[in-house]
Amino acid sequence: KQEVTQIPAALSVPEGENLVLNCSFTDSAIYNLQWFRQDPGKGLTSLLLIQSSQREQTSGRLNASLDKSSGRSTLYIAASQPGDSATYLCAVTSSNYQLIWGAGTKLIIKP
Amino acid sequence: NAGVTQTPKFRILKIGQSMTLQCTQDMNHNYMYWYRQDPGMGLKLIYYSVGAGITDKGEVPNGYNVSRSTTEDFPLRLELAAPSQTSVYFCASSYSDTLAGYEQYFGPGTRLTVT
Repeated sequence: KQEVTQIPAALSVPEGENLVLNCSFTDSAIYNLQWFRQDPGKGLTSLLLIQSSQREQTSGRLNASLDKSSGRSTLYIAASQPGDSATYLCAVTSSNYQLIWGAGTKLIIKP
Repeated sequence: NAGVTQTPKFRILKIGQSMTLQCTQDMNHNYMYWYRQDPGMGLKLIYYSVGAGITDKGEVPNGYNVSRSTTEDFPLRLELAAPSQTSVYFCASSYSDTLAGYEQYFGPGTRLTVT
């Protein structure tokens, strides 16, 4: 059974720092992996989607990488800003075509 | 273009009561989903639909029912509410299968408490 883990559960860093969020999954047979952002009281917003054949995707200050063989993905945020404060979730599309979600990392960027 | 809308935003139910969570999307998406998110946990799929008239169970369907009579609407019905159904419920939609890389768009959620 596919399981997705995100460590740490919470992270606090000063503004301006570069940071990395981690996501690991137990079954490498995935179709794609997505990173989402969740703001309190709001829905989720898709940030990046990496197909299983890809190694990374970039959008602005965000870069997501995927290593299927080791069951890992990272989300790199460059030059962090207070507006980046949110919970970041990763999810994989597994063999049963459904999204399997991690519990998220709550990120706080201190001004 | 409102995207995915959900009503109500908040609701408190007594044990044994029933209610329907409403979800509407105006993007002409074929696929729609219902998830629940418990505190400190990832989302879990309750039901999904690949088009009007077609629904299927997700990971945690017990205690819920859905219908999809139109492309736009995908209501979730809770019968005989139980405290274990206290959660935040999210509706989402996508043009086609996430398998093929189609993005899911989420509503703002409904926070439900059963006491």
